[in-house]
Amino acid sequence: GEDVEQSLFLSVREGDSSVINCTYTDSSSTYLYWYKQEPGAGLQLLTYIFSNMDMKQDQRLTVLLNKKDKHLSLRIADTQTGDSAIYFCAESLPSGGSYIPTFGRGTSLIVHP
Amino acid sequence: DTEVTQTPKHLVMGMTNKKSLKCEQHMGHRAMYWYKQKAKKPPELMFVYSYEKLSINESVPSRFSPECPNSSLLNLHLHALQPEDSALYLCASSQQGATEAFFGQGTRLTVV
Repeated sequence: GEDVEQSLFLSVREGDSSVINCTYTDSSSTYLYWYKQEPGAGLQLLTYIFSNMDMKQDQRLTVLLNKKDKHLSLRIADTQTGDSAIYFCAESLPSGGSYIPTFGRGTSLIVHP
Repeated sequence: DTEVTQTPKHLVMGMTNKKSLKCEQHMGHRAMYWYKQKAKKPPELMFVYSYEKLSINESVPSRFSPECPNSSLLNLHLHALQPEDSALYLCASSQQGATEAFFGQGTRLTVV
C-alpha cells in the first residue's frame, strides 16, 4: 500500500460526479486498476487501463492516466447511493506470467441524498 | 461461472486450533492467490500459486500453510494463530498472463 497513494475519504451528493485520485510510484507498472469493495464484501474489478493508454471510458466510469505524473483518476458520472463503497487503486507488474495487483489504501466514497 | 467461492464466510478459532480456509473456482484459471486484509487497510498479497505450484510467498509466517491440491482448489491451513491474525482473507484467481484477477467474497477470521 505504500507505493500507491489515495485520499481516504470523498463525500458527494447524489447525481453529482465523483472523482477519485491515485498516485503510484512504479513507472514500469503495466496495468492500473480500480476495484470496488462494499462493506463486508470481496473486491469487484470495475475497470483497468493499460499503461500506454491515457483514457478509458466504460458507461458511467472514466479512467484518466497521466503516466508522466504517475497519476490515475476514476470519474463516476451521476453518482448514486449504490456507489457508496471503498475504491481501491492498484498497480501491477508482470510476475511469472501473471499480473498481480498491489493496492492503495482505498478511498471511502460516501454518497448522500 | 465467473465466481470464486470461499468457505466459510466467517470463522472464529482459538489460538490452539487448527482450521482451513477453502477457495474454489471453475473458470479454468491457473493462477490463484491469497490476500490478507486488515480493517481499514488494503489487501496485502500472501501467496501466489501458478499451475498448482507455489510461486510467491511474501514472507508469510509458517503458521499459515497454503495448499493447491488441484487447478480448481486452493486451501489455507491455519495453526497456532495469534489475535493479530484476525482479518478478512481473500482468494483470487486469474488466467495465466491475464490482466484481470477475480476475487471471492472472503473469509472473515477472528482469532480469540
